[in-house]
Amino acid sequence: DGGITQSPKYLFRKEGQNVTLSCEQNLNHDAMYWYRQDPGQGLRLIYYSQIVNDFQKGDIAEGYSVSREKKESFPLTVTSAQKNPTAFYLCASSISQIPPTEQYFGPGTRLTVT
Amino acid sequence: SQELEQSPQSLIVQEGKNLTINCTSSKTLYGLYWYKQKYGEGLIFLMMLQKGGEEKSHEKITAKLDEKKQQSSLHITASQPSHAGIYLCGVLPRGTSGSRLTFGEGTQLTVNP
Repeated sequence: DGGITQSPKYLFRKEGQNVTLSCEQNLNHDAMYWYRQDPGQGLRLIYYSQIVNDFQKGDIAEGYSVSREKKESFPLTVTSAQKNPTAFYLCASSISQIPPTEQYFGPGTRLTVT
Repeated sequence: SQELEQSPQSLIVQEGKNLTINCTSSKTLYGLYWYKQKYGEGLIFLMMLQKGGEEKSHEKITAKLDEKKQQSSLHITASQPSHAGIYLCGVLPRGTSGSRLTFGEGTQLTVNP
């Protein structure tokens, strides 16, 4: 079945440690996205990528980094510079950005930093 | 986001009742997307609206984009417990590059049997 996988489902880290969240898709989509969701809030865009080896900052990129070495994969690293990293992280992909098409989401990773 | 308002924030209805959720943007839209989310899970795509006056249905859920393309309403007919969850609208303002969606804060729907 085609889809987006995120692993792990739950992740616990100590403050000061970097952590990498995995996102893989087998939908052959060009564009991929990372969002953060906090309780009672909508999604906020962290980074997005339209094509391999290219990515752009979203609205809240500070303290995060990404890479897009393969079309299928778009890992997100939460660095120790991120002041409030505990959140629910969602990865999404879409066929393209031009013209805009609907985004399909993975199941999410809940990160807790203590 | 102040650019986008969803109302109500939460809604509790009895099974079988109809309900409406609204999404209002301060900007003219290129497109509007409705998603449903169960707590702690990913978003499920429901429908996308682009043309003013456009109306789409998915099972008992109908969404319409108003003529001025700044507001959408999502209507559920004869609600069921399976409709419970968080409904989010995502908008693509006209002039925005690519698919950079802005999402509302969501409407938490509870359907009591």
